Amino acid sequence: GAVVSQHPSWVICKSGTSVKIECRSLDFQATTMFWYRQFPKQSLMLMATSNEGSKATYEQGVEKDKFLINHASLTLSTLTVTSAHPEDSSFYICSARDGRGYTIYFGEGSWLTVV
Amino acid sequence: AQTVTQSQPEMSVQEAETVTLSCTYDTSENNYYLFWYKQPPSRQMILVIRQEAYKQQNATENRFSVNFQKAAKSFSLKISDSQLGDTAMYFCAFTNLIQGAQKLVFGQGTRLTINP
Repeated sequence: GAVVSQHPSWVICKSGTSVKIECRSLDFQATTMFWYRQFPKQSLMLMATSNEGSKATYEQGVEKDKFLINHASLTLSTLTVTSAHPEDSSFYICSARDGRGYTIYFGEGSWLTVV
Repeated sequence: AQTVTQSQPEMSVQEAETVTLSCTYDTSENNYYLFWYKQPPSRQMILVIRQEAYKQQNATENRFSVNFQKAAKSFSLKISDSQLGDTAMYFCAFTNLIQGAQKLVFGQGTRLTINP
């Protein structure tokens, strides 16, 4: 099946610094990618939808200046958490829609810890 | 707005038993897709099964099958001959086919435990 790779799997950063998470579709072109945040024992919360070559669409309540999303190519989207704070610590997971159909595939997720 | 509801926060069955996870959804659309995803302790989201709303036949993937009732907006997942490896969180999800949208809307999840 289709593969989406997310990197890094784990990252620890100091409060006030920025951290970037990459999401790559390895064997298909992803015109649309999605970024989710998952709190412990909860469902996935959609943060934003990114389309290749255009600005991301953020969900209500998500700070676009804090969570910068770039979708520069059909196989790569990045999420940058700027000026990270401990409350930004969470599990972040990306997904990509295979342009050939309607199935959405997920990356492995990234654990972010801000100390 | 579309919503997805999973009314069973937790379920537990013995190995080899059959278990059914419930899911209902609300939408005014006629064309859409429904999914069941599995999230084991590794947190990797794994697609279990997919159903197109325009298809009347229920989707089946080996031990996994769905009961899709479009009029009732119900989409339950049946796991037959359950195995220890089926232990995971299961999420029901919905996506419509409107151009430019197609984001997944998730239910709250059901934590399924298969006991030896």
